[in-house]
Formats: sequence, C-alpha cells, structure tokens
Amino acid sequence: GAGVSQSPRYKVAKRGQDVALRCDPISGHVSLFWYQQALGQGPEFLTYFQNEAQLDKSGLPSDRFFAERPEGSVSTLKIQRTQQEDSAVYLCASSFDAETQYFGPGTRLLVL
Amino acid sequence: SQQGEEDPQALSIQEGENATMNCSYKTSINNLQWYRQNSGRGLVHLILIRSNEREKHSGRLRVTLDTSKKSSSLLITASRAADTASYFCAIERGAQKLVFGQGTRLTINP
Repeated sequence: GAGVSQSPRYKVAKRGQDVALRCDPISGHVSLFWYQQALGQGPEFLTYFQNEAQLDKSGLPSDRFFAERPEGSVSTLKIQRTQQEDSAVYLCASSFDAETQYFGPGTRLLVL
Repeated sequence: SQQGEEDPQALSIQEGENATMNCSYKTSINNLQWYRQNSGRGLVHLILIRSNEREKHSGRLRVTLDTSKKSSSLLITASRAADTASYFCAIERGAQKLVFGQGTRLTINP
C-alpha cells in the first residue's frame, strides 16, 4: 500500500511569508507525528495527534507554528511569518501500533 | 534537545566489512529504535528493542541494549554499498514521541 506522503517536497518562502505543509498518513493509522530536522542533525519532535486530537505540542518552537488534523487523517503544519531559522526538513510520520513510526519523504523548507 | 548520542559521528569502511555504531542515552526508556536515512529521503525503521530485551536480530542487523549502561549498539554485517546512509537511534520514553540522536554517517566503499 501507499506510504506516508508529504507535499510540497520543496518550498522556498520569503521571510515573513506564511507556509502550509501537508501530510497524508498511511490509511488507518491513528497516530501522526511532525518532526523538524535541521541540516546534519537528527529529527526533533514537534507535535503528535491521535486521531483528530492533538495530544502533545510541546515541541512546537513558537506560537508561529500550528498543526491540525481536523478529520483524523490528513494533517497540516502551518508556519506563520516564517524566519530564516525555520529552514529545515519537516518530516511527518504515522503509526498504527504506537511503536513503529513510518516516515514520509519530508518537505524541505528554505526561508530566504 | 536531543538525548541520544551516536558514536562515531562518521564511519567509512570497505564493502564486506562489519559496521558498528553506538548510541548512549540519559534517561529510562520504554524502547529504543534504529532508523536509516538515505540522503534527501525520509527515515526507514530498522529495528525496535524493548527495555527488557538485550539483543535482537533482523537479517544482517544485530542490535544490543544495555540498560545499566544506558547504551545500545547496531551492528551491520557484510556491509554493502547500499548500506551507505545515516543511522539514527531514537528512544521512546512514553507518550509515543521519539527522541533522536544526531546520527552516524556510514559510508561503504566499493
């Protein structure tokens, strides 16, 4: 079956612009995660959904970051007023057993 | 902040040799997982070892876990060029979120 998909794969934004990143999890996966990966680093947790409920948003770096999953399937990570330090790869993962996470290819965001 | 630390940060070996990567962490864990990431791609789950397990095998992969030393190792035997990638350990302490290390960049030379 299809894996986790993310769009767009690449996004270039001007500083101050708002961006929206989409994640389509594997069908039937209850859990959905967002991670941020800076160049040369490991992924860092941003937020976690179980169905449509956002159970943990402790990793969101500021109130400019907002995530939603209104119908318990597709999720959107929105970054308002982007800044250069937001440049990173944003990874989405989904899970059915609360253990193994299946990652998408990521969205590479570059803020100029 | 990242709580897992991989060692070495980079490793270059000849095809056919074995590769060993280590991971140390600071807190108690539910499980520890290893992921592979090819350049420019997402992470692929390799193996999960629970806190009450000491060793696990999957194909050419062998993972050990020593909770008393808060460390884990990943051994890849008979390495192939396709094993070239970054390898990350990730700890799960509860609430499902994973805490990743900075990774080991493995290069297999033909």
